[in-house]
Amino acid sequence: GESVGLHLPTLSVQEGDNSIINCAYSNSASDYFIWYKQESGKGPQFIIDIRSNMDKRQGQRVTVLLNKTVKHLSLQIAATQPGDSAVYFCAEASGSRLTFGEGTQLTVNP
Amino acid sequence: DGGITQSPKYLFRKEGQNVTLSCEQNLNHDAMYWYRQDPGQGLRLIYYSQIVNDFQKGDIAEGYSVSREKKESFPLTVTSAQKNPTAFYLCATGMNTGELFFGEGSRLTVL
Repeated sequence: GESVGLHLPTLSVQEGDNSIINCAYSNSASDYFIWYKQESGKGPQFIIDIRSNMDKRQGQRVTVLLNKTVKHLSLQIAATQPGDSAVYFCAEASGSRLTFGEGTQLTVNP
Repeated sequence: DGGITQSPKYLFRKEGQNVTLSCEQNLNHDAMYWYRQDPGQGLRLIYYSQIVNDFQKGDIAEGYSVSREKKESFPLTVTSAQKNPTAFYLCATGMNTGELFFGEGSRLTVL
């Protein structure tokens, strides 16, 4: 069936470095993509989203890139901080259903 | 405060018992969702409801039941038919535009 997956289960970076978290999706009909951040024991929090008619969107310290040709999504975090340590999920939307990937654990080392 | 309230935060169940997890929202969102999360894994959709008195099965609905009698409430019952119910359960709401807002979760443990 359709699925959203992530290339790496863990990512470790130094404080101040830029982080890049990748995601591959398989449903070409998905028209909306979201990145969520989940801290331990809590519910996911919205970070940034992008529609399929765009290839880049920027927020505060975060950028999402969408490459529809290869069905690839990435989240870039600039100047990564210890508070960014969490699990990051990409999700794809088709209609009102959201399908989540397995997540990447980001660890920021001081 | 506006938001999504899940209760209880922690719940213990004996095998063979049904338990009900509560999810209440005051965001006036039409759609509500229940997801299950196992350790180190992503979220899997159990049930969702786009409108009052209507709901649809998600990917792992077996052993679960829901109701949507009010817009604000979407309780999830974990029945004895669910063979491996120990998990973290997340309720979410949305406006059918894609973005979901999540509650803080309920952790169910079967003793």
